[in-house]
Amino acid sequence: DAGITQSPRHKVTETGTPVTLRCHQTENHRYMYWYRQDPGHGLRLIHYSYGVKDTDKGEVSDGYSVSRSKTEDFLLTLESATSSQTSVYFCAIRTETNNSPLHFGNGTRLTVT
Amino acid sequence: GQQLNQSPQSMFIQEGEDVSMNCTSSSIFNTWLWYKQDPGEGPVLLIALYKAGELTSNGRLTAQFGITRKDSFLNISASIPSDVGIYFCAGWDSGGYQKVTFGTGTKLQVIP
Repeated sequence: DAGITQSPRHKVTETGTPVTLRCHQTENHRYMYWYRQDPGHGLRLIHYSYGVKDTDKGEVSDGYSVSRSKTEDFLLTLESATSSQTSVYFCAIRTETNNSPLHFGNGTRLTVT
Repeated sequence: GQQLNQSPQSMFIQEGEDVSMNCTSSSIFNTWLWYKQDPGEGPVLLIALYKAGELTSNGRLTAQFGITRKDSFLNISASIPSDVGIYFCAGWDSGGYQKVTFGTGTKLQVIP
């Protein structure tokens, strides 16, 4: 158990509404990540953080923003949700070691109608 | 961007049989990872590989880091029903450990 909690676990929202997903970790890991998982695409990196207030874009960052004001929380925001953002979103952490693997939370299933 | 080709996409096997799946990349990788995902849950790390030629076991699972550094293999011996799930390879190349690339998964179904 990597001590990662994602909330909510499920959400249905309408096109054009803002949505924020939360990832909370209990072990003070420096690196946190947001991925989306879609059939046929595997897991794709949206944004990641390498410390408080330090974030960077991944390969599919358009339409998403993130914030990390505390070590334990990494928020993913869809400013104006679109149907193409219907997906399962996973948060992941990495320990301090650069070469260490990612450990994932249990995901948030988001449906945009 | 970087792509990983994972095969097979799916497989049905009888309980007790051995399973083999592989993953190839278009560039040289520094690290290979293998994950298993059960329905409704996040991927769980099975094995991590860090050196070309490395062979690592985790119970009935064995994975190898290919000597070309462009491929990796995962074998499951004597499959059991709880092996059912989706297996993902992942890793990163010289682009850096922050940019982990994932394969599209192998769906394994075990027939009791």
